[in-house]
Amino acid sequence: GQNIDQPTEMTATEGAIVQINCTYQTSGFNGLFWYQQHAGEAPTFLSYNVLDGLEEKGRFSSFLSRSKGYSYLLLKELQMKDSASYLCAAQDSNYQLIWGAGTKLIIKP
Amino acid sequence: GAVVSQHPSRVICKSGTSVKIECRSLDFQATTMFWYRQFPKKSLMLMATSNEGSKATYEQGVEKDKFLINHASLTLSTLTVTSAHPEDSSFYICSAREGGRDSSPLHFGNGTRLTVT
Repeated sequence: GQNIDQPTEMTATEGAIVQINCTYQTSGFNGLFWYQQHAGEAPTFLSYNVLDGLEEKGRFSSFLSRSKGYSYLLLKELQMKDSASYLCAAQDSNYQLIWGAGTKLIIKP
Repeated sequence: GAVVSQHPSRVICKSGTSVKIECRSLDFQATTMFWYRQFPKKSLMLMATSNEGSKATYEQGVEKDKFLINHASLTLSTLTVTSAHPEDSSFYICSAREGGRDSSPLHFGNGTRLTVT
């Protein structure tokens, strides 16, 4: 079956760095997305990886290893507003998105 | 960037009534839109794929007669929850891809919080 695993919850300190991991098992693979979702709001797009390696976008970076079925989202210089859930979604051979349950990130002062 | 507008953001209705939720792509055309449902602290669950000019494709376990989807134009899709029951209370979110490419990200509407009393 198809499956996405990511930690349920993580806690980090303002100004620090945090890495949110995601492992996936899909029938075929056509890229992986990361989204941010604040409580009560819809998800917003953060990044897309389809090739191995690191994609950097300001304070946020995303890494993909296709051979390991693994991705991570790296958040630097954490701010209180980064407190949110982070959703990992892998796209299978039919371009269907398989969603993880999300990682709730709690930022402490 | 691509904007998807969803209305209403919140709705409270009585059991047995129907509720219509609208989803519009404001600055791009979307031949396909996706309707999701999300329970508290749970992942997004795809309910159906809305196709402009043709019937929607429903995911397994989703009642198509209960959740009516109409995609009348390239910028508008509607979801109607018919004969609503309290268990239909949930967060409903629509989305669409700009450009229609499968590598394009999904852009989400702001969601509709439905409460059925």
